[in-house]
Order: sequence, then C-alpha cells, then structure tokens
Amino acid sequence: SQQGEEDPQALSIQEGENATMNCSYKTSINNLQWYRQNSGRGLVHLILIRSNEREKHSGRLRVTLDTSKKSSSLLITASRAADTASYFCALETSGSRLTFGEGTQLTVNP
Amino acid sequence: GAVVSQHPSRVICKSGTSVKIECRSLDFQATTMFWYRQFPKQSLMLMATSNEGSKATYEQGVEKDKFLINHASLTLSTLTVTSAHPEDSSFYICSASDPFDQPQHFGDGTRLSIL
Repeated sequence: SQQGEEDPQALSIQEGENATMNCSYKTSINNLQWYRQNSGRGLVHLILIRSNEREKHSGRLRVTLDTSKKSSSLLITASRAADTASYFCALETSGSRLTFGEGTQLTVNP
Repeated sequence: GAVVSQHPSRVICKSGTSVKIECRSLDFQATTMFWYRQFPKQSLMLMATSNEGSKATYEQGVEKDKFLINHASLTLSTLTVTSAHPEDSSFYICSASDPFDQPQHFGDGTRLSIL
C-alpha cells in the first residue's frame, strides 16, 4: 500500500506541551506533506518536505524526514488549545497525486 | 494565498437525486483538480484526478458513471453524484493544483447527506 501510516491515532496533551506525530510509508516519494483538518472542514497545508531534505521548520512546527527509514515526524512545540485538530501526512509520488495517511487526532487541553 | 472555493458546503436530499458540487480556483489557473471522499474519522481517499479539457482519471473502485466529473475550464471542476443513495453520504473535498506552485490547495468540503 502507498498509504502513509500514522501514529498515534489519537493524542491528548496539555497546553504548553509538545506534540509529536509520526508517519511511515513504503514507497518512494517526491515529497511528503503535512496537513491539518479541523472538524468538518477542508485541509490546511502546513509544511512540505522534499525527498532530499531532512528537516524543515515553520513557526512552531518542525518536520523531519528519514528516507532510509521511510518515516517522517511532525513536532508541534508549545501547543495551544487552538491546535486541536486532525493531522494528516500525505505522500506525493507522481503527477501531484497525494496519498493520505489515516491521521492523528490531537486534543490540546487548556 | 491561493484559494479554492467549494460549493455547496452542505447538501441534504432524497435518495435518487443527482447532486452537483463545484470546485473553483479563485486566483490561479488549475490545470489539475482532485476529488476526494472522506468518511467520518477516516482519511481522505482520492476518487479521481480531473484535468482541464480531458477526461478524468478515476481511481480503482470508483464508478465513473456514478461520479461524473467535468473540468471545462482552468478554474472550475464539477463533481456530480448521480442518483445518489444513502451509502453515497459522505464528505467530499476537492483540491486544485497550480502547475507553478505547490502544494495542492483544498476547498472546505461538501457534506452530502442522502435520506
């Protein structure tokens, strides 16, 4: 399967704590992307990391990519209640086609 | 930033009705648009890839006669769920790809409920 596998499926933390989500996959990729989805809404792009990159930062977000292990992680630092959402990794393999992971439901408690 | 508008956001209709969902790229030309389906608490599943001026490419298991896709212009793709039944109830999301930019830009989704 080309689908990314994410863990944990659900994560509940307190405000101010860091949240780490992981994505593993089995195929070769052009890039790996992380998206956020609030309940009942569309997806918001967070960060894209190319296959030749190892780490990227954007604000409180840090993404790593290990192509030898075929895995990626998303770290959200100093979490806020507003970060509560589902987070998906998406693999781009060819022609802009994305394959999404199952997602991690993050709950940040105030 | 790039914006994709999806309309309507919510549809409730009777079984047997055909429903059309529109996906528009508002400030860029989208040569490719994608249609996804999402069941509650599940991931997005790609249904089809829509290329302007040509036939859509459907994923395995997706009935092309059931889910009609038209991409008549560089800013508009439509998905028509024909003769919808309760099992077609789902959250449908489109995205658009700008050939000169990444990543894909997503609409806000359409919640389809068939009674």
